[in-house]
Amino acid sequence: GQQLNQSPQSMFIQEGEDVSMNCTSSSIFNTWLWYKQDPGEGPVLLIALYKAGELTSNGRLTAQFGITRKDSFLNISASIPSDVGIYFCAGVAVGGSNYKLTFGKGTLLTVNP
Amino acid sequence: SQTIHQWPATLVQPVGSPLSLECTVEGTSNPNLYWYRQAAGRGLQLLFYSVGIGQISSEVPQNLSASRPQDRQFILSSKKLLLSDSGFYLCAWSFMGASYGYTFGSGTRLTVV
Repeated sequence: GQQLNQSPQSMFIQEGEDVSMNCTSSSIFNTWLWYKQDPGEGPVLLIALYKAGELTSNGRLTAQFGITRKDSFLNISASIPSDVGIYFCAGVAVGGSNYKLTFGKGTLLTVNP
Repeated sequence: SQTIHQWPATLVQPVGSPLSLECTVEGTSNPNLYWYRQAAGRGLQLLFYSVGIGQISSEVPQNLSASRPQDRQFILSSKKLLLSDSGFYLCAWSFMGASYGYTFGSGTRLTVV
């Protein structure tokens, strides 16, 4: 089945720093999604991407759908303490089930004030 | 607007006892429904999904079962809990496939003692 390799697994940064994380796959995806999970809560959708090369922003967050359709990137600028949480990439693979998302294993972000 | 309700928020159950977790969705019809488990605050494991009443797809054979007795109701059950069933259980719904992403509930923290 399709797998998503998400990196890094964890990040420890200072408040104000920029953050980058990515997901890669050997399969081609036609949808890329980025979620954030606050401690003790369910994941919340941050950004959805549907076209190769697409660059979409949501406040301080920017995500890109890779040109090869096999990767996606999420950047967070000027991090703040409330950015703490687990960030998941997810996608719908070409030829895969239309009902099921494939999730990465998550990036745990810690922001030191 | 659509909302998803999941309860209880926390649960402590003895080994060998039964389990019933309930999830309901409001404000939509014929949603796709999902049960996930998250261990140790990291990866999301798909347990079951349903595309209609009485239609259940099992992703991982284990000590759990799911049922969908009504269009917007999804229940996760076990006849006899194991210690390994402990974890954070998340219900989610999607509309017309996964490309628009899932909306997750707030989760149930299950501790089997």
